[in-house]
Amino acid sequence: DSGVTQTPKHLITATGQRVTLRCSPRSGDLSVYWYQQSLDQGLQFLIQYYNGEERAKGNILERFSAQQFPDLHSELNLSSLELGDSALYFCASSSPFRLTDTQYFGPGTRLTVL
Amino acid sequence: AQTVTQSQPEMSVQEAETVTLSCTYDTSENNYYLFWYKQPPSRQMILVIRQEAYKQQNATENRFSVNFQKAAKSFSLKISDSQLGDTAMYFCAFMKQRNAGGTSYGKLTFGQGTILTVHP
Repeated sequence: DSGVTQTPKHLITATGQRVTLRCSPRSGDLSVYWYQQSLDQGLQFLIQYYNGEERAKGNILERFSAQQFPDLHSELNLSSLELGDSALYFCASSSPFRLTDTQYFGPGTRLTVL
Repeated sequence: AQTVTQSQPEMSVQEAETVTLSCTYDTSENNYYLFWYKQPPSRQMILVIRQEAYKQQNATENRFSVNFQKAAKSFSLKISDSQLGDTAMYFCAFMKQRNAGGTSYGKLTFGQGTILTVHP
């Protein structure tokens, strides 16, 4: 158990809908990262937050947004869903003070868009 | 931009034997970290081992060790005394070292992965 939690584990929805994925980082970690794992694109970095502020952005679609709240949990919002958004979405967290910047992953949320 | 290449889509090994997974990367950075992550059938991403580029000594974690060749931009993972529980997809990953300001660059760049099967 990495200490990173993600909810829900599975999500099935229809095209055009909007969903929210939630992540709680390990205790004491200030950074949260989101990754998407799909068969055709592999593992791709989406976005990073550090202590509530956006720090780095990857291949994140404009239909996707994220935020990190004062209690450090993070949410990834996916809207106008398309079939191609079906993937495993991982959240990871890290600390600049313990094993510097090593990212520990949550169990992932499997999103299926029908 | 950084790229990470794992040229072995699949590998297999007998239980108790040794196997080496290959990884090469391309970067113009001098300070960075390299990682191996394991993804078993449960799909959880598990950190196996980490290497700081400034360290010449190769990292080891129990049965797992790396051969880090900075000039050749090569970072292979050796698994000794393979166990059935080592069956998983293994990902090599690169991350730039954070700046002096304190917050990390964050982005892990992953290779395509190598599926390792350990046979009894």
